[in-house]
Amino acid sequence: KQEVTQIPAALSVPEGENLVLNCSFTDSAIYNLQWFRQDPGKGLTSLLLIQSSQREQTSGRLNASLDKSSGRSTLYIAASQPGDSATYLCAVRPTQGGSEKLVFGKGTKLTVNP
Amino acid sequence: NAGVTQTPKFQVLKTGQSMTLQCAQDMNHEYMSWYRQDPGMGLRLIHYSVGAGITDQGEVPNGYNVSRSTTEDFPLRLLSAAPSQTSVYFCASSRHPYSNQPQHFGDGTRLSIL
Repeated sequence: KQEVTQIPAALSVPEGENLVLNCSFTDSAIYNLQWFRQDPGKGLTSLLLIQSSQREQTSGRLNASLDKSSGRSTLYIAASQPGDSATYLCAVRPTQGGSEKLVFGKGTKLTVNP
Repeated sequence: NAGVTQTPKFQVLKTGQSMTLQCAQDMNHEYMSWYRQDPGMGLRLIHYSVGAGITDQGEVPNGYNVSRSTTEDFPLRLLSAAPSQTSVYFCASSRHPYSNQPQHFGDGTRLSIL
């Protein structure tokens, strides 16, 4: 059974710092991995999707990497801003045993202090 | 762009009552799904649909029914509400199932069962 783990559960950094959020998954048989942002009381906003054949994706100050063989992904946020404060979730789409669904981690709650 | 629209945003029910959570998308997406989000549990798939007239169970389907009569709408029905169904419910959609397209989420319905 696919399991997704995100460490740390919470992270607090000063504004301007570069930071890395970690995601690990137990089964490398995935279609893709997706990073989401969730603001309090809101839904999930898709940030980046990395296909299983890709190593990384970039969007603005965000860069996500994928190492499928080791079951790891990282989300790099450059020059963090208070507006980046949110919970970040990663999710994988398995190729087997339920490829119609996403398997989510429990998220990392990020606070960027001015 | 409306995207994925969920109604209502908040609801309080008494044990045993029934209700329908509405979900509509205007992106002509084939794939739609319902998740529930609980503290410490992450998001879990309830039901999903790969197209009009086709639905299937996810990870936690008990106590919920769905139907998909049109491409746009995917309502979730609680048959007899129980306190264990207190949660935040998210509807999601994507262009095709088994694809490398990102999933789009609604803003959620916050449901309390007394």
